Amino acid sequence: SQTIHQWPATLVQPVGSPLSLECTVEGTSNPNLYWYRQAAGRGLQLLFYSVGIGQISSEVPQNLSASRPQDRQFILSSKKLLLSDSGFYLCAWTSGRRLYNEQFFGPGTRLTVL
Amino acid sequence: AQKVTQAQTEISVVEKEDVTLDCVYETRDTTYYLFWYKQPPSGELVFLIRRNSFDEQNEISGRYSWNFQKSTSSFNFTITASQVVDSAVYFCALSMRGNEKLTFGTGTRLTIIP
Repeated sequence: SQTIHQWPATLVQPVGSPLSLECTVEGTSNPNLYWYRQAAGRGLQLLFYSVGIGQISSEVPQNLSASRPQDRQFILSSKKLLLSDSGFYLCAWTSGRRLYNEQFFGPGTRLTVL
Repeated sequence: AQKVTQAQTEISVVEKEDVTLDCVYETRDTTYYLFWYKQPPSGELVFLIRRNSFDEQNEISGRYSWNFQKSTSSFNFTITASQVVDSAVYFCALSMRGNEKLTFGTGTRLTIIP
């Protein structure tokens, strides 16, 4: 069966510090991968998605970036965090071979920028 | 463009009552897919159901049931005999055939009062 991991689970970072969040998927190959952010009490905002290694699509211009160095690894980064980057970050995957998009989510990373 | 509207921001009901969460969608495509996700306090989004646009048959799974009506572009979710464990934020989502992305509604926070 497929599983998705995210780490760290929680993170407290000062403004201006760098960020690296990691997501890995097990039990599948060539998945589509997604990064979402959820601000406190708000809905989901799609940040990036990837349909293959090195292929990244950005949905919202910001100081965040994403990379996919391996087939089942998706990394969210920032060189300098802003207060507004605080939130709950969710990684999701779906099979790249399906026509529809039933996404499965990881446990999330709760980021607080102080 | 596609859109999902969950007009109910918050709902509170007493345990054992039935509750219906509304979802209205907009799309120009004739082939599309609708989803419901549950986000408990732990934060991880849990997939509940997927419905294809060409299948209007309603579905029941235990205490959960879904009413899909293309005529009103609605995909409502009913919980029968609610329990405290049903307390969560529920998201409705939409995707189009061949599209890698999901469009989420803003979610409905459901609180079951013991």
